[in-house]
Amino acid sequence: KQEVTQIPAALSVPEGENLVLNCSFTDSAIYNLQWFRQDPGKGLTSLLLIQSSQREQTSGRLNASLDKSSGRSTLYIAASQPGDSATYLCAANSGYSTLTFGKGTMLLVSP
Amino acid sequence: ETGVTQTPRHLVMGMTNKKSLKCEQHLGHNAMYWYKQSAKKPLELMFVYSLEERVENNSVPSRFSPECPNSSHLFLHLHTLQPEDSALYLCASSQLLQGSLGYTFGSGTRLTVV
Repeated sequence: KQEVTQIPAALSVPEGENLVLNCSFTDSAIYNLQWFRQDPGKGLTSLLLIQSSQREQTSGRLNASLDKSSGRSTLYIAASQPGDSATYLCAANSGYSTLTFGKGTMLLVSP
Repeated sequence: ETGVTQTPRHLVMGMTNKKSLKCEQHLGHNAMYWYKQSAKKPLELMFVYSLEERVENNSVPSRFSPECPNSSHLFLHLHTLQPEDSALYLCASSQLLQGSLGYTFGSGTRLTVV
């Protein structure tokens, strides 16, 4: 059974810092891995989708990497802003409706 | 309107009430899902529909009853719920059941059972 762990559970940084969020998964047989952002009480917004054959994906200040063999993915946020404050979730897709989520990293970026 | 739309955004219901949650997707996706998000727990998959047929029921109590009348609409009918059912209920869709192009989520319905 796939298990996804996200570290750290919470992170507080001053504005402008570069930061890394970590995600690890136990079963490397995945189709892809997706990073989401969730604002308090809201739904999930997709940030980046990395296919199993890819090593990384970039969107603006966000860069996500995937090392399938070691069961790890990282989300790099450059030049963090207060508007980046949210919970970040990673989800490993093992195919056929098997999307396994971590508990998330709660990020607070202070001005 | 694009994306995945859920209504209502908030719902308060008594344990003897019957209510329904609605989800609509405008993405042309073939698979739709219900997830439950409780405090301090990862998202839990409840139901999966592919081409309007239920393909998975993840050991969900019968007080939750899904319905998928067509590939764009998904409902979750609720009856005789318990206070521990209070949670954020999220609907999602994907182009294909294996989610090879990723998943799109709605904004959720915050359910409070009193």
